[in-house]
Amino acid sequence: DAKTTQPPSMDCAEGRAANLPCNHSTISGNEYVYWYRQIHSQGPQYIIHGLKNNETNEMASLIITEDRKSSTLILPHATLRDTAVYYCIVRGGGTSYGKLTFGQGTILTVHP
Amino acid sequence: GAGVSQSPSNKVTEKGKDVELRCDPISGHTALYWYRQSLGQGLEFLIYFQGNSAPDKSGLPSDRFSAERTGGSVSTLTIQRTQQEDSAVYLCASSLAIGHQETQYFGPGTRLLVL
Repeated sequence: DAKTTQPPSMDCAEGRAANLPCNHSTISGNEYVYWYRQIHSQGPQYIIHGLKNNETNEMASLIITEDRKSSTLILPHATLRDTAVYYCIVRGGGTSYGKLTFGQGTILTVHP
Repeated sequence: GAGVSQSPSNKVTEKGKDVELRCDPISGHTALYWYRQSLGQGLEFLIYFQGNSAPDKSGLPSDRFSAERTGGSVSTLTIQRTQQEDSAVYLCASSLAIGHQETQYFGPGTRLLVL
């Protein structure tokens, strides 16, 4: 699976949009971009995923660049409960079907 | 509906004892995964099941670790002769099927402390 690069930490004011970037310059054509988050002492929570088109659900939006080498997760109106570690994961086929490979993620702190 | 459940939520054991950790996947999910997260570390893949079969056991850290799944549902991760370095949060996830487009949903984890 392609490696991802994320900033180690970010801050966001409550009520503002949080834009979390992820670089995945070695992504290949059949690899998906997944986002999970982990709130302290909980299991990872699925947020969203996409292949090449932008995606939106009730939690967030995912913007993938045309060349697919980077993406941005957008939380449109961050709340204090969105404080968590956010993981960007690129997931492919072959022998990696079964597993998610988590990096260090971005620690997002939402402050009042 | 019900999500992935794990038991116990916390386990304290003495070095050298065996422990069993249980995972109940989401109903109807054929794929099941085990990960662990050591203090201050990222999530590490251990093993996955497709039905009752485990095609990839390469992530198990030693032969003291084993896992099984029966009836295509509940899975048990067993650690024999526990060591202090086994202390971690053990996470289970399930997905509807195997595939890189299949979303994995995680349980709350079992926090294991080996004294």
